[in-house]
Amino acid sequence: DGGITQSPKYLFRKEGQNVTLSCEQNLNHDAMYWYRQDPGQGLRLIYYSQIVNDFQKGDIAEGYSVSREKKESFPLTVTSAQKNPTAFYLCASRNSRGRVTDTQYFGPGTRLTVL
Amino acid sequence: AQTVTQSQPEMSVQEAETVTLSCTYDTSESDYYLFWYKQPPSRQMILVIRQEAYKQQNATENRFSVNFQKAAKSFSLKISDSQLGDAAMYFCAYRSPEGNEKLTFGTGTRLTIIP
Repeated sequence: DGGITQSPKYLFRKEGQNVTLSCEQNLNHDAMYWYRQDPGQGLRLIYYSQIVNDFQKGDIAEGYSVSREKKESFPLTVTSAQKNPTAFYLCASRNSRGRVTDTQYFGPGTRLTVL
Repeated sequence: AQTVTQSQPEMSVQEAETVTLSCTYDTSESDYYLFWYKQPPSRQMILVIRQEAYKQQNATENRFSVNFQKAAKSFSLKISDSQLGDAAMYFCAYRSPEGNEKLTFGTGTRLTIIP
């Protein structure tokens, strides 16, 4: 069954700790994205990657880091430098080849709470 | 920079009736993509419908259709024969055709279906 998985669904972190959110896709998509959603707001782009071993900062990259060592995986690390990390995090991917290349498909999300 | 505005924070509609959600955007580009995403209580973002700006014909997906007015930079979503399962947050999103990868989202409209 093809799709995008994110784990864990809920994550709790103490202040000063780094945490890593997992995102895996088996859709054979080249491009992957991380968005953050805060209450009453739309999604904002943190990082994106168009190919393996390459990624670019989005609008709110400060305090976050990513890696793209495999096509299927795009983990996001929320570092202690992120001032307000409590939010809902969504991962997405896009097929950059084929007939329809403009649509991003989303995973189920991870809710991060800083205690 | 592109901006997306959804001026209706909340809407409600009687079951089986029709409702229209508004979206306007600001851009200097002539070619782009527009999307409506649905976010139910599970919080996963689900693609509802997409529109390519170079196409004059309005997109339709079953009970969902759009009214795309390029000159007015308006992209409204019409839901016909509303069902209880349509209750969700609806987000309008804009994407440039190349280069900048991100989706720019509006702040969303919460749709309630009245039985």
